[in-house]
Amino acid sequence: AQTVTQSQPEMSVQEAETVTLSCTYDTSESDYYLFWYKQPPSRQMILVIRQEAYKQQNATENRFSVNFQKAAKSFSLKISDSQLGDAAMYFCAYRRNEKLTFGTGTRLTIIP
Amino acid sequence: DAMVIQNPRYQVTQFGKPVTLSCSQTLNHNVMYWYQQKSSQAPKLLFHYYDKDFNNEADTPDNFQSRRPNTSFCFLDIRSPGLGDAAMYLCATSGGGNGNTEAFFGQGTRLTVV
Repeated sequence: AQTVTQSQPEMSVQEAETVTLSCTYDTSESDYYLFWYKQPPSRQMILVIRQEAYKQQNATENRFSVNFQKAAKSFSLKISDSQLGDAAMYFCAYRRNEKLTFGTGTRLTIIP
Repeated sequence: DAMVIQNPRYQVTQFGKPVTLSCSQTLNHNVMYWYQQKSSQAPKLLFHYYDKDFNNEADTPDNFQSRRPNTSFCFLDIRSPGLGDAAMYLCATSGGGNGNTEAFFGQGTRLTVV
C-alpha cells in the first residue's frame, strides 16, 4: 500500500517570509500524481498544486512551488511571500489510478 | 456555485442507530470518494467509486456501506454507529483517467454519536 509521510506536524513562518513543507512517499509505481491540498479552518479542502510523476520540471503556481525528487520519493512545497490567508492544514497526497491517499498533514501558522 | 454538496453539515445520531450521509455533485465526475477525518488527522479513505465500480479499502469496517444510485449522488451508510465513528466525513469527486486528477471536496458532514 502506498504511504505518504509528512514529518512536520506544525510549522510557523513570519508573514512575507518563505517556508518549506516536507513530504515523502512510498511507492513501487513509476506513473502517479502528487498533490498538495490546503484545508483552512472552515475545513473545505482545496488543491494548491499538482505534479505529474512523468514530468521532471517542478510545478509552480504563483507563490507556491514544489521540489519533486522522484528517486528520493520526496515532494516538498515551498510557499513564498507567506500571507495570513495561507494559515491552514496542508496535506500532501498521492494518486495512482483513482485512489487518492493523504499524508498526516502539517499545520501552518503565519506570524504577523 | 457549490460543486460538491454534502448534507447535512452536522448530524447527531444515537449509538447503534443507522445513519445516512449524502453527497451530490454537479461536476459529472466519474469518481466519488468517501473519507473519514478525525480531529487533526489525515483524511482516511473508506471507499471510492469509478462510475458504478465500487472499491472498498481493506481496512474499512463492515459497518460502513455506500451506494451510488447515479452519477450525481453518493451515500454513506453507517449501520450501527459507535462512539469511535464520530468524525468529519468528507466526500470528494474527480474525473477518471489521467487527464482530470484534481479532487473537489465538499464541506463535510460532522457526525456526533451520543
